[in-house]
Amino acid sequence: EAGVAQSPRYKIIEKRQSVAFWCNPISGHATLYWYQQILGQGPKLLIQFQNNGVVDDSQLPKDRFSAERLKGVDSTLKIQPAKLEDSAVYLCASSLAGYPQETQYFGPGTRLLVL
Amino acid sequence: AQSVTQPDIHITVSEGASLELRCNYSYGATPYLFWYVQSPGQGLQLLLKYFSGDTLVQGIKGFEAEFKRSQSSFNLRKPSVHWSDAAEYFCAVAGGGYQKVTFGTGTKLQVIP
Repeated sequence: EAGVAQSPRYKIIEKRQSVAFWCNPISGHATLYWYQQILGQGPKLLIQFQNNGVVDDSQLPKDRFSAERLKGVDSTLKIQPAKLEDSAVYLCASSLAGYPQETQYFGPGTRLLVL
Repeated sequence: AQSVTQPDIHITVSEGASLELRCNYSYGATPYLFWYVQSPGQGLQLLLKYFSGDTLVQGIKGFEAEFKRSQSSFNLRKPSVHWSDAAEYFCAVAGGGYQKVTFGTGTKLQVIP
């Protein structure tokens, strides 16, 4: 079974530029999550999708971050414009239906450096 | 609001020694608790989880954790550490309708020969 795929693996941009990350979850998983992991911290949930609808985006900085999950499958996360403090690893995860006892499967992450 | 505290930022153990990583949580109802491991350059992998039943949970790679409601703890243990266990370990708590997971800040494990 293929895991969660993410691209790119690394990205370096200058502040005020825009960047986009892509995630393809495990086939059949209805729930998709985007996390931000700043160095030295645990992952922080940015947004959670159930199929193609947003369940939770309370911690997404909506003035600069946006995410979509067209057709309920893969997803993109965009930052525009980027700030220095956005430097982090962006993790995508998926689970079967989003129930609390389910396992979340994580991709390898995209490491973003904003200069 | 739910929260997780991992009081140890960094732990060093000798290969073959026992390991215990501490985790304390805060949640108003019965929590769902998880331990994940993150190796360098990789995503997180679930080691084990607790949501009901036996309070001693067995996981992969020889890890186990014990849920203690009275102490609001979910400590991770392994009787004999291998060099390949060197990684960062995250405790997490979930609750509410759809799963919203809150992670701790992690404990980095170093294993010395």
